Amino acid sequence: EAQVTQNPRYLITVTGKKLTVTCSQNMNHEYMSWYRQDPGLGLRQIYYSMNVEVTDKGDVPEGYKVSRKEKRNFPLILESPSPNQTSLYFCASSTPPEQFFGPGTRLTVL
Amino acid sequence: GEDVEQSLFLSVREGDSSVINCTYTDSSSTYLYWYKQEPGAGLQLLTYIFSNMDMKQDQRLTVLLNKKDKHLSLRIADTQTGDSAIYFCAERASGTYKYIFGTGTRLKVLA
Repeated sequence: EAQVTQNPRYLITVTGKKLTVTCSQNMNHEYMSWYRQDPGLGLRQIYYSMNVEVTDKGDVPEGYKVSRKEKRNFPLILESPSPNQTSLYFCASSTPPEQFFGPGTRLTVL
Repeated sequence: GEDVEQSLFLSVREGDSSVINCTYTDSSSTYLYWYKQEPGAGLQLLTYIFSNMDMKQDQRLTVLLNKKDKHLSLRIADTQTGDSAIYFCAERASGTYKYIFGTGTRLKVLA
């Protein structure tokens, strides 16, 4: 089954403790992206990747890092999480014009 | 910069048509999208329209694009309770992989 998977689905952590949210797709898509969803703000793009080793900033990249060492994986790294990064995070992969989303990761930073 | 705006709420009766509206600012947008998000779930692509089209119909869904006014709408015919969800409009700028989403419209269907 074609899908985008994210792990973990839920995470509660404390300020400053480094964390990684994994994202994997099995559709051989070149393009992948990370978004955060906050009430009243819709989805905002954090980072995107056009292919292996090619990444670029979205609208809200501050406080986040990404890497794309393999085509199928696109992890999101928070080196020093802060409470304002509490949000619902979505990974997506795309074969334009269509974009497919993962189930989401709800992150709470205390 | 680019911006996509939607009204926050819409309430309709079951069996009626729903029309969800969206305005965008980037005139170079290549594709415009409608996504559906059900509670606790990710976003599901409903339909999309290429910027050189005026209308696209897919079963109960009709998308209308007015490029002059930068206005996009999604009409759902014979709205059902299962259509209750948040609907997001999004645009993708030409030549990029940058997507701009609206804030979402929460559709509530009354039985």
